[in-house]
Amino acid sequence: SQTIHQWPATLVQPVGSPLSLECTVEGTSNPNLYWYRQAAGRGLQLLFYSVGIGQISSEVPQNLSASRPQDRQFILSSKKLLLSDSGFYLCAWLEQGNYGYTFGSGTRLTVV
Amino acid sequence: SQQGEEDPQALSIQEGENATMNCSYKTSINNLQWYRQNSGRGLVHLILIRSNEREKHSGRLRVTLDTSKKSSSLLITASRAADTASYFCATESMDSSYKLIFGSGTRLLVRP
Repeated sequence: SQTIHQWPATLVQPVGSPLSLECTVEGTSNPNLYWYRQAAGRGLQLLFYSVGIGQISSEVPQNLSASRPQDRQFILSSKKLLLSDSGFYLCAWLEQGNYGYTFGSGTRLTVV
Repeated sequence: SQQGEEDPQALSIQEGENATMNCSYKTSINNLQWYRQNSGRGLVHLILIRSNEREKHSGRLRVTLDTSKKSSSLLITASRAADTASYFCATESMDSSYKLIFGSGTRLLVRP
């Protein structure tokens, strides 16, 4: 069956520390992968998307970066976190030929 | 940037009543989708309507699309307390396939 794993569920990091959030998908191949961020009580902001290994498109200029080292792995990173990076980060995938996204359970990041 | 904007931002109804949420968007679209998010969780895909469709049903959900007005509505009939969640519309625009842009959402509270 097709599943998406996202971890950790919660994370508290000091300002200036690095970040690495990982998302993996099972049961599918060559999916489109996405990172979204959601501020409290708000909608989702698209950060990055990838249509294949090593192919990353950035939607919002910021101190975050993304990488796709394997077909079913998508990583969100930062070298130095800012307070404004706090939020709920969601990974999603879209199977080729389908239209509805499947979302992970999210990571609640608090930068202190 | 936000493509879809939901109205109202918050809605409180009694169990058994119908709930109607509206979404407006700005650009020409391939399709419009509705998602549901329980508090602190990932989003779940509910229904997709294509730009050449005007109405679609799925169980207690009814979605309409008016491309001339660039608007959509989601109707939940015979609401239940378990329908309490945030509901988001998302659009795939014609010039940006494979990217979904989300609105700010409607928070629905169904009182038992």
